[in-house]
Amino acid sequence: EVQLVESGGGLVQPGGSLRLSCAASGFTVSSNYMSWVRQAPGEGLTWVSIIYSGGRTFYADSVKGRFTISRDSSKNTLYLQMNRLRADDTAVYYCARGGEYTGYDPFDYWGQGTLVTVSS
Amino acid sequence: EIVLTQSPGTLSLSPGERATLSCRASQSVGSNYLAWYQQKPGQAPRLLIYGASSRATGIPDRFSGSGSGTVFTLSVSRLEPEDFAVYYCQQYSRSPWYTFGQGTKVEIK
Repeated sequence: EVQLVESGGGLVQPGGSLRLSCAASGFTVSSNYMSWVRQAPGEGLTWVSIIYSGGRTFYADSVKGRFTISRDSSKNTLYLQMNRLRADDTAVYYCARGGEYTGYDPFDYWGQGTLVTVSS
Repeated sequence: EIVLTQSPGTLSLSPGERATLSCRASQSVGSNYLAWYQQKPGQAPRLLIYGASSRATGIPDRFSGSGSGTVFTLSVSRLEPEDFAVYYCQQYSRSPWYTFGQGTKVEIK
């Protein structure tokens, strides 16, 4: 059974850092296109970042240069390192699984989300 | 960037009624790479429809998707109590620049 379990969220001051983790089971993280999607309180869904199965990475303009997506195959875990956090980064962060061979697939599995609150 | 606009913002219906949700794209969605997700309060989104009209695994056949190009529709033939939720459309044709609509809330009338 495919499962994604996020952790690492919490309260952080503006300018601070946080690393989110997404532990996967039932499939191999490095075999799929894996994304982070966030949802600000009371708002809709916004794509944040993706890592291709081949390792290439992309970021939304709003987080480029501040966030870094990565994975650890030995732990079958996806990460999102978030630096220079701002108040508008406050959101629930979801990891989501895309396809195996291309980026032209929907997100078929999602984690339960982890809340990041940026506030002084 | 492909902007997706969903309408209406809120749909007030009774159980057993039919729901019709719209998603309009600012540019043509290539290969009809358009998905629909359902989200209930405090839960993650769940994939319902992909490729504009294909149901995801385990999705009841009362859910159907249609459309092409810039106009897409999600229909729920007879609303069950568990179908009252927020629904989002998403395009994945401009990978990796995925975008979502702002959502339609289906509430009990």
